[in-house]
Amino acid sequence: SQELEQSPQSLIVQEGKNLTINCTSSKTLYGLYWYKQKYGEGLIFLMMLQKGGEEKSHEKITAKLDEKKQQSSLHITASQPSHAGIYLCGAYFSGAGSYQLTFGKGTKLSVIP
Amino acid sequence: DAGVTQSPTHLIKTRGQQVTLRCSPISGHKSVSWYQQVLGQGPQFIFQYYEKEERGRGNFPDRFSARQFPNYSSELNVNALLLGDSALYLCASSALTGLEANQPQHFGDGTRLSIL
Repeated sequence: SQELEQSPQSLIVQEGKNLTINCTSSKTLYGLYWYKQKYGEGLIFLMMLQKGGEEKSHEKITAKLDEKKQQSSLHITASQPSHAGIYLCGAYFSGAGSYQLTFGKGTKLSVIP
Repeated sequence: DAGVTQSPTHLIKTRGQQVTLRCSPISGHKSVSWYQQVLGQGPQFIFQYYEKEERGRGNFPDRFSARQFPNYSSELNVNALLLGDSALYLCASSALTGLEANQPQHFGDGTRLSIL
């Protein structure tokens, strides 16, 4: 089974609308990372969350970590075509060994002008 | 400052061949990790190297090997290529200095490997 589940798998929104992407872990989280990927390209680091209740923002993107629920959410306010891409959450799990990031399958976001 | 650089960007091989992919980390980063990403999936961990030593290995067969050089650049080698090895191979570097896992990994643009 997948250790990190992302929902929804894909999302199509009208430009200017708000949206939320969720990432739920089946194990205790020791750090949660959000990345954005354009098709076929590398991952762009967005934010790192390490403490329960932590919330970080970058431009119009806000991410929160709910440690009790083992869940993180990524919220985009007033979406723009430049926000389109695949959003991936990644986490380090205790006992996994080394610093390997485990990723969810990603959420594909399309923004219609 | 230059980010993580990978070469080549694209590669086409046939089954049974061998391939070497290269990665240069961000200046000052001593940790390099390799990931495989197949279409529609998130990246999957292959190896991590820190200070030229292997620190972790994912669930990949022995056909996959890697090494890190004194300048912290790294190579990923895959022998006896299979059709299923077709994927985007990503390299990431990090400013990890010890056992803490509080540094983000920064990714290169990847090498797209196609096996015919």
